[in-house]
Amino acid sequence: GAVVSQHPSWVICKSGTSVKIECRSLDFQATTMFWYRQFPKQSLMLMATSNEGSKATYEQGVEKDKFLINHASLTLSTLTVTSAHPEDSSFYICSASSGGEAFFGQGTRLTVV
Amino acid sequence: AQSVTQLDSQVPVFEEAPVELRCNYSSSVSVYLFWYVQYPNQGLQLLLKYLSGSTLVESINGFEAEFNKSQTSFHLRKPSVHISDTAEYFCAVSDLDSSASKIIFGSGTRLSIRP
Repeated sequence: GAVVSQHPSWVICKSGTSVKIECRSLDFQATTMFWYRQFPKQSLMLMATSNEGSKATYEQGVEKDKFLINHASLTLSTLTVTSAHPEDSSFYICSASSGGEAFFGQGTRLTVV
Repeated sequence: AQSVTQLDSQVPVFEEAPVELRCNYSSSVSVYLFWYVQYPNQGLQLLLKYLSGSTLVESINGFEAEFNKSQTSFHLRKPSVHISDTAEYFCAVSDLDSSASKIIFGSGTRLSIRP
């Protein structure tokens, strides 16, 4: 199947700094990618839909100015958590579709201290 | 809009016992249905999916799920579980009308296997 790669797999940052997470489709092109957030022992919550060459579509309650999404090419979407705070600590997962099936990255665990 | 309900947050079973993880969905349009498995600190792996055709779908590791349109259910079953099946299982739905495959997840069921 298709492969989606996320980087980094884990990151620790200081409160107030920004963190960028990359999501790449390695062997296919993805005009649309999705960003999810997962708190401990909870389900994945869709944050936003990343569209290549256009603005991302955010789910209700997700701050677009805090979670900046850039989808500059058909194989790369980035999520930047700006001015991170401890409550932003979570597991972030991206996905991209190929052949009608969604493929997920391995996730990025963000810890804000 | 679609939604997915997994009524059981945790299911403890003994090794080699059968298990059923329940999933019900709600949608005003036709959908694709999925089961994903997540091992600790890892991403999601697709376990099985229903797109069309036979309502009974199987995975390579012995799990199966049956799509029941009248009951809007897609329960996951395995006749005999193994310790290695310990994981979090997520039922999910995708809107057939959406070419971008946005997936909505249930709250998850933690399957714990006791020796």
